[in-house]
Formats: sequence, C-alpha cells, structure tokens
Amino acid sequence: QQQVKQSPQSLIVQKGGISIINCAYENTAFDYFPWYQQFPGKGPALLIAIRPDVSEKKEGRFTISFNKSAKQFSLHIMDSQPGDSATYFCAASSSGTYKYIFGTGTRLKVLA
Amino acid sequence: NAGVTQTPKFRVLKTGQSMTLLCAQDMNHEYMYWYRQDPGMGLRLIHYSVGEGTTAKGEVPDGYNVSRLKKQNFLLGLESAAPSQTSVYFCASSYHSTGELFFGEGSRLTVL
Repeated sequence: QQQVKQSPQSLIVQKGGISIINCAYENTAFDYFPWYQQFPGKGPALLIAIRPDVSEKKEGRFTISFNKSAKQFSLHIMDSQPGDSATYFCAASSSGTYKYIFGTGTRLKVLA
Repeated sequence: NAGVTQTPKFRVLKTGQSMTLLCAQDMNHEYMYWYRQDPGMGLRLIHYSVGEGTTAKGEVPDGYNVSRLKKQNFLLGLESAAPSQTSVYFCASSYHSTGELFFGEGSRLTVL
C-alpha cells in the first residue's frame, strides 16, 4: 500500500516531442506529489509538485496531471530538449509522516 | 551557498569494516534523511530525523545506525559493512515535513 509504481523504466524521445511519465499509488492518505529530476553524478532536485486539490499544474514546459479517482499522476514534458535528458522520480507523501515514497525512476533520453 | 554537503564522495570498504558518512546542511532545516539509490529500485529511505537529538527508522534501516547530535549534521554509520550495502547514498534535508527535499551530491560506497 505504500508503493508508488512508475512507468516506463526508460524513454527515448525526439527533440521537440512530448515526454510522458506515469505514476500510480495506493495509499489514499498521500497528499503531496512531487517530481524530482536527477542528472548523472548529482543528487535529485525538485522539478514540480502538486497537491490533490487541483488536477493539473504547469510550470513552463513541465506539467503534472493528477487523477485522484484513479490514484494516478503523470509528468508531461512539452517540446522536449536534449538538456532534459535525466532520470525522473515521482514521489508521494502524507502530512505528518515526515517521509516520502519514491517511484523507481524513469531514464529519459532526448535525441537531438 | 553550500546547501547539503556529503563526505566522503567515494569509498571502498572490505566486508566487515566500519565507516561513517557525514551529511552537513547550512539551511537550518529541521528534517534530515538518508536514502540509498540502487538501479531499478529508486530511492529508499534508510533513517530520518525530525530534529536535533531525534532519529527514526525508514524502509531499509537494517545494518545502519544514525546520529543527529547537532541540527546541521546527520551521520550514517555502517558497523560491519556487507556487499549488499554497495550503493549510492544520498542525504537530504527539508524545512517542512512535506516540503521540498534538498539533496546532496551522493556518496558512492563499494563493499568488496
């Protein structure tokens, strides 16, 4: 019940295309859903996050879509660029638990 | 502008040896975390701390101990290293319990 399932494991997209990464969760107590971006040799860094009171959040080329009834959320990267090539992790947490559950990661490669 | 600093960045141990990883943050964050990252398994929480002098177990605490004697430091210890502890270890800190996690650059540990 604590798992966050992430897919796909890897993704190759042409420059200018749309990258889509999906996550699903079971625990309905989760109330914060961030996405982290990690470049090789670096630690993850927060990219964008959403709370379940909204169905979509957009920041530049990055959008989170959230479906509370299906317990799913996804990251969309519009106009994907080679500089977006990185590993992306979804995560979930619930207030007061002080900890996050991370997905297994998606390695994105954007071809020039 | 250091953020979260981990030392050492690389270490090779023999089975049975002990070592300590040090994490230091200069953002006055209350919450600190130790994660391990393994291929295909994402980030798994080892131990965490909600304030100076407190520690708690995460998902995979066996074989590790931690201490938080000062607010800015969080130490991760391996008393008797095993090959299964070969991994990349990340320290993170946050201001709020469900706020943004700030990660260090990681410590790569190999146990032979």
